Amino acid sequence: SAVISQKPSRDICQRGTSLTIQCQVDSQVTMMFWYRQQPGQSLTLIATANQGSEATYESGFVIDKFPISRPNLTFSTLTVSNMSPEDSSIYLCSVGRDREQTGAEAFFGQGTRLTVV
Amino acid sequence: QKEVEQNSGPLSVPEGAIASLNCTYSDRGSQSFFWYRQYSGKSPELIMFIYSNGDKEDGRFTAQLNKASQYVSLLIRDSQPSDSATYLCAVRRGKTSYDKVIFGPGTSLSVIP
Repeated sequence: SAVISQKPSRDICQRGTSLTIQCQVDSQVTMMFWYRQQPGQSLTLIATANQGSEATYESGFVIDKFPISRPNLTFSTLTVSNMSPEDSSIYLCSVGRDREQTGAEAFFGQGTRLTVV
Repeated sequence: QKEVEQNSGPLSVPEGAIASLNCTYSDRGSQSFFWYRQYSGKSPELIMFIYSNGDKEDGRFTAQLNKASQYVSLLIRDSQPSDSATYLCAVRRGKTSYDKVIFGPGTSLSVIP
């Protein structure tokens, strides 16, 4: 499996502010994925971060609201900008680990629980 | 139509019984299929991964894949109270770590002692 560390593990933020979430992986990976899990819901993909290029955002998510950095092959950040209570969610970083015979498995960090007040 | 659908829960089974969780997907080109377990307040934990038609067994867990029917299931034998969690079905179009993974809505399982 992959070891994925996310910081912070949780935070309570004031509306209108921004929070940057960090994701550190124990080995180099090409793609890193950011997900959101709203209360009582499943995981929704926000964007795919490829080192050296702009992140690719899913429908309903925009760069101005969720800017992503990917400075190297083991690290990425997701910023939640101009927060509102609707942004209260768990944010998760994910990476894949390729296996020659069976294809890649997908692993998650422990998540960042964000509460916006 | 949602990309990944799961049978609505919550699902309750008595301890020792078989729990059956079902999932369908819309993208016929999907190649990788995952089952994750998520305890309340925790991140998803990968419990099964299947990519070819048929059954794959790992301990008390069996994943079944039928690509023609676009259907994947998870059987949990000898269910234990510790299996009580939300089970997430996830699908990936490709086989590599470059491809994104799409999740279903999840099925909540409760194992009654």
